[in-house]
Amino acid sequence: RKEVEQDPGPFNVPEGATVAFNCTYSNSASQSFFWYRQDCRKEPKLLMSVYSSGNEDGRFTAQLNRASQYISLLIRDSKLSDSATYLCVVMDTDKLIFGTGTRLQVFP
Amino acid sequence: EPEVTQTPSHQVTQMGQEVILRCVPISNHLYFYWYRQILGQKVEFLVSFYNNEISEKSEIFDDQFSVERPDGSNFTLKIRSTKLEDSAMYFCAGRLASAYEQYFGPGTRLTVT
Repeated sequence: RKEVEQDPGPFNVPEGATVAFNCTYSNSASQSFFWYRQDCRKEPKLLMSVYSSGNEDGRFTAQLNRASQYISLLIRDSKLSDSATYLCVVMDTDKLIFGTGTRLQVFP
Repeated sequence: EPEVTQTPSHQVTQMGQEVILRCVPISNHLYFYWYRQILGQKVEFLVSFYNNEISEKSEIFDDQFSVERPDGSNFTLKIRSTKLEDSAMYFCAGRLASAYEQYFGPGTRLTVT
């Protein structure tokens, strides 16, 4: 089983749509979780940390289900500028374990 | 807003040559990392570094690789004898002692011919 598994997409959605990404992880001892965004040939940029209680930052909502080892990211009111690859990331000891990413394309 | 910087942005080298990739982390970060991303693949952990010592390294980080922080600001990754399969983007990252979020530099694209 892969350590961090994501649907690679692509997800093609119109502006204004709501889109959800899911991710599962294999190490039940993992304690910290993140969503990063990566534009083509650029560095991963931290989008948000994911907390057990769920957290929201503007149009973005992240949820964590420890029992199912499942992480989600919801993007509301998609913008053209949201087009990127979204990386589900789990911290294992002190290192980050990345999923392969889910590609999002928002069209006008 | 402070940023991680990396030089060079692109390095082309011949197989067997040594390369040094440089990073200047954010000044109040105390934990440092190198990751790599082969084109079309996921980001992979190479090594973590704290208090002038390697904390953890992956299987990728073999005897050909080394890291150091020679002057308290630069953080370097050296590959002694490059192989074709070392061609990748190399990202430096850092974090505060009080938080787990890691912040990445823009990367160095290494091309081994």
